[in-house]
Amino acid sequence: GEEVAQTPKHLVRGEGQKAKLYCAPIKGHSYVFWYQQVLKNEFKFLISFQNENVFDETGMPKERFSAKCLPNSPCSLEIQATKLEDSAVYFCASSQRGATSNQPQHFGDGTRLSIL
Amino acid sequence: GEDVEQSLFLSVREGDSSVINCTYTDSSSTYLYWYKQEPGAGLQLLTYIFSNMDMKQDQRLTVLLNKKDKHLSLRIADTQTGDSAIYFCAEKRRESSGDKLTFGTGTRLAVRP
Repeated sequence: GEEVAQTPKHLVRGEGQKAKLYCAPIKGHSYVFWYQQVLKNEFKFLISFQNENVFDETGMPKERFSAKCLPNSPCSLEIQATKLEDSAVYFCASSQRGATSNQPQHFGDGTRLSIL
Repeated sequence: GEDVEQSLFLSVREGDSSVINCTYTDSSSTYLYWYKQEPGAGLQLLTYIFSNMDMKQDQRLTVLLNKKDKHLSLRIADTQTGDSAIYFCAEKRRESSGDKLTFGTGTRLAVRP
């Protein structure tokens, strides 16, 4: 597609439950990024993929968070045993090329995760 | 992000120019971006500049980059009420681990009629 598509738009989970978020990158884009935006508008980088391979996972919490980008499927971000502090808007972005390229990252509309 | 700073709030009158400022600390930045976020919405890419450029103009938007002072600004000419939003600057660094973006704290622009 021509836009980064994220689903669902809103997700409500009770503390301790699992949450799974999905992202379909723009067709032809080989890089996918996940960011977390918390209440004070701060963006935190979580993880990036080059096609189905993890490219940079330096921002991923060591426990409970995992992500995948499998061929012919939307990418996913999964949080096990959610905590109140996981409440945030999770953005997915995609781009065509890597660090030295001028191809910018295009963002989806985000998934708002609320942990009750 | 702690390495990219912006003022929190800017209020301008409709029709005036807005200037949103951003300072960054990493001299290895390759590209710098401006994104717009409206309430409840995603990030819309407005414009970007390569680090070896001083200025880029795109319709009502002018980006100025002072690499020596690590200062980036976005000027919006003839500001309209539809420009009310949060504006984020972001930098892409030349790091071997990939091209993740480091975002500023965001500037909320309020346009008064």
